[in-house]
Amino acid sequence: QITLKESGPTLVKPTQTLTLTCTFSGFSLSTSGVGVGWIRQPPGKALEWLALIYWNDDKRYSPSLKSRLTITKDTSKNQVVLTMTNMDPVDTATYYCAHPDPRPGSFFFDYWGQGTLVTVSS
Amino acid sequence: VIWMTQSPSLLSASTGDRVTISCRMSQGISSYLAWYQQKPGKAPELLIYAASTLQSGVPSRFSGSGSGTDFTLTISCLQSEDFATYYCQQYYSFPWTFGQGTKVEIK
Repeated sequence: QITLKESGPTLVKPTQTLTLTCTFSGFSLSTSGVGVGWIRQPPGKALEWLALIYWNDDKRYSPSLKSRLTITKDTSKNQVVLTMTNMDPVDTATYYCAHPDPRPGSFFFDYWGQGTLVTVSS
Repeated sequence: VIWMTQSPSLLSASTGDRVTISCRMSQGISSYLAWYQQKPGKAPELLIYAASTLQSGVPSRFSGSGSGTDFTLTISCLQSEDFATYYCQQYYSFPWTFGQGTKVEIK
């Protein structure tokens, strides 16, 4: 059974760096084809894909946010960490980590964490 | 970037209705489209992938169709638990993008 859970601060100040951790179970990031992604959703708005990391350390970032994002993995801990620099109130959102289908070319998300709401405010 | 137009943004319907949600792409994506359902305060759940393949455990009243630029999600007989917001997602080309969502509300 695949599960994912996000953790991190609920409140960050403008200009600060956000660090979120996704702790997962039921799969291994050392298995070929496996990845973990991050998606966010501002209150009342649509979903926005942010970043994704694969078992081979291949990383993909949203072009619009690439300069601010870093995604890393700790295979031994079953964790993926997302950092976002220079946070702004417009970054207030629920941040989800999710498991993409591992089949080649299948970049959709079949398992999601519960999400964590991050508010950016001074 | 592939732009997606999802319509309608709000759909009022009654239990038992047949409802259809559209997702139109700015360029062809073959069948690389997924549909998700999201209920208030919850994470999205995968309903359909490859435009028409039902995810395991999803009721058969949900169906997807289309290829290229025009896609449709159909709920054949709306149930009370189907009132939610639905999103399409293209995974044909990077960056992967989501539609703006369709909220299905009780008429």
